[in-house]
Amino acid sequence: NAGVTQTPKFQVLKTGQSMTLQCAQDMNHNSMYWYRQDPGMGLRLIYYSASEGTTDKGEVPNGYNVSRLNKREFSLRLESAAPSQTSVYFCASSDFAGGLSAQFFGPGTRLTVL
Amino acid sequence: RKEVEQDPGPFNVPEGATVAFNCTYSNSASQSFFWYRQDCRKEPKLLMSVYSSGNEDGRFTAQLNRASQYISLLIRDSKLSDSATYLCVVNGHTGNQFYFGTGTSLTVIP
Repeated sequence: NAGVTQTPKFQVLKTGQSMTLQCAQDMNHNSMYWYRQDPGMGLRLIYYSASEGTTDKGEVPNGYNVSRLNKREFSLRLESAAPSQTSVYFCASSDFAGGLSAQFFGPGTRLTVL
Repeated sequence: RKEVEQDPGPFNVPEGATVAFNCTYSNSASQSFFWYRQDCRKEPKLLMSVYSSGNEDGRFTAQLNRASQYISLLIRDSKLSDSATYLCVVNGHTGNQFYFGTGTSLTVIP
């Protein structure tokens, strides 16, 4: 099992460009998440998908859109990148089971917006 | 008020020492609690879940105090390989949102 995979690993964009970050999990989990991590800020939730077909905003959704393509895949799109979106982006998945349901993370995408 | 708060440290301890981290959470309805470790420039990895009765995994012990709304992590006999940032994680009452502390940095010194 690969667990959670993310592509690309690194990306440099110019202000105003768009891109999509891809995430897939092979653990048959119901829920998937996108976070960003900035120095001194910890992980902040951008969007999450509790189950296939649903998406909800997290703490910092502005400037992003998501698509839960199927149970395995959850993509994050930046329509018009801004320097403030320079960050490390992590995708995670979990399966809510009896109240004890940890998240498992992908290796991250390091994004720089110039 | 932040959902989850941790002392950022850093904690610098010699090999073999015992070190403890605390974390407080604000939502009394939270039901699930975890400790993760994160190595530099890597993804967070689950260290252990935290159960109401407390739980132990080798040199690591986690405790939950619901009345005071804090969780703790105790590391005994610290190893150099324990050097990392430790993240406290609490889920919301719906079970589908997770709140992360900013992490506590640990360096184990030879």
